[in-house]
Amino acid sequence: RKEVEQDPGPFNVPEGATVAFNCTYSNSASQSFFWYRQDCRKEPKLLMSVYSSGNEDGRFTAQLNRASQYISLLIRDSKLSDSATYLCVVSGTGGRRALTFGSGTRLQVQP
Amino acid sequence: SQTIHQWPATLVQPVGSPLSLECTVEGTSNPNLYWYRQAAGRGLQLLFYSVGIGQISSEVPQNLSASRPQDRQFILSSKKLLLSDSGFYLCAWSVVGVGNQPQHFGDGTRLSIL
Repeated sequence: RKEVEQDPGPFNVPEGATVAFNCTYSNSASQSFFWYRQDCRKEPKLLMSVYSSGNEDGRFTAQLNRASQYISLLIRDSKLSDSATYLCVVSGTGGRRALTFGSGTRLQVQP
Repeated sequence: SQTIHQWPATLVQPVGSPLSLECTVEGTSNPNLYWYRQAAGRGLQLLFYSVGIGQISSEVPQNLSASRPQDRQFILSSKKLLLSDSGFYLCAWSVVGVGNQPQHFGDGTRLSIL
């Protein structure tokens, strides 16, 4: 089983739509969670951290369910500029100070 | 503010040639540093990480090596490149703190092996 699993998509949605991405992780001891955005042929950029109580940043809402080891990202009122690959990221454990990146979910917002 | 510089942006190398990619971070001290590789259409694979000068942890055994000669400098090297070394190489940094901190990436180096 992969450490971080995401539906690769692509998700094709019209402008203005609401879209949700899900992610599951295998290590129950993981403590930190993030969503990154990666544009085609560019570096990943931090979109938002994910907190236990859930958090919102403008049109973006992240949720964490530790019991189910599940993370979600909701994008409301999709814009053309939201088209990108969204990476679910989970912290490593033990002495490992690195993050584990999912393979990403591709979003294409259409006019 | 902190910035991360990575170069070159693109590189075309023949099989068997050496490699040296450099990454430097500005605006912070004693960062954690990382090298990742992303194959075409795939996820990020952690290659090396470093928590201090001269301290390198290798995640995947391969013909690559990393060094951290200075606090904010991280170098990825190879003596002889393989075709399978092609990919998008990304350097990243994070602050040292409680728990795992988010990582911030350089622009990446796109490496093609011929």
